[in-house]
Amino acid sequence: AQTVTQSQPEMSVQEAETVTLSCTYDTSESDYYLFWYKQPPSRQMILVIRQEAYKQQNATENRFSVNFQKAAKSFSLKISDSQLGDAAMYFCAYRDPRFNKFYFGSGTKLNVKP
Amino acid sequence: DTAVSQTPKYLVTQMGNDKSIKCEQNLGHDTMYWYKQDSKKFLKIMFSYNNKELIINETVPNRFSPKSPDKAHLNLHINSLELGDSAVYFCASSPGQGRNQPQHFGDGTRLSIL
Repeated sequence: AQTVTQSQPEMSVQEAETVTLSCTYDTSESDYYLFWYKQPPSRQMILVIRQEAYKQQNATENRFSVNFQKAAKSFSLKISDSQLGDAAMYFCAYRDPRFNKFYFGSGTKLNVKP
Repeated sequence: DTAVSQTPKYLVTQMGNDKSIKCEQNLGHDTMYWYKQDSKKFLKIMFSYNNKELIINETVPNRFSPKSPDKAHLNLHINSLELGDSAVYFCASSPGQGRNQPQHFGDGTRLSIL
């Protein structure tokens, strides 16, 4: 069964610095999709970035980028120039293309210090 | 326009009562989901419907019954509420095709059982 693991329950970063959140997953599929979601205290789930497994190039969205290592089944999120508004829970998610089912990690709480 | 809307946002009720949460999406998506997020923020899939057909039914007490009158709506009815049902319930939707498409989430319903 597919599983998604986020091994860092909580992390802290100084404003304007860079932080990397880890995510690993388990799958026997070769074609799948990965996502990072942000959940601020308002509890909305907001898509941050997505990655197709068949693409070698790492996805980038402004200050957010991923380090996708397919062989290692690793999908980490890098946040550059951290801002106070980045403080939130971050969830890694894997989409099983066969069943249109999403698997979520347990989340990493990111604190941003001024 | 809100893409995925859930009502109510907050629900406070007593043990033993029956309650419903409604969800509607105006994105034209084929698939809708219900998730439960517990106090530790873990997101657990409960149900998924594709074009009104139940496709995912995780291990959930049968006190929980989803109903999909059409593909734009997925409601959740809960009978005989228990203390352990206190959580935030999220509705989400995704396209049936376009496998790199993420889920879109509602704002959640915080259910509190007294």
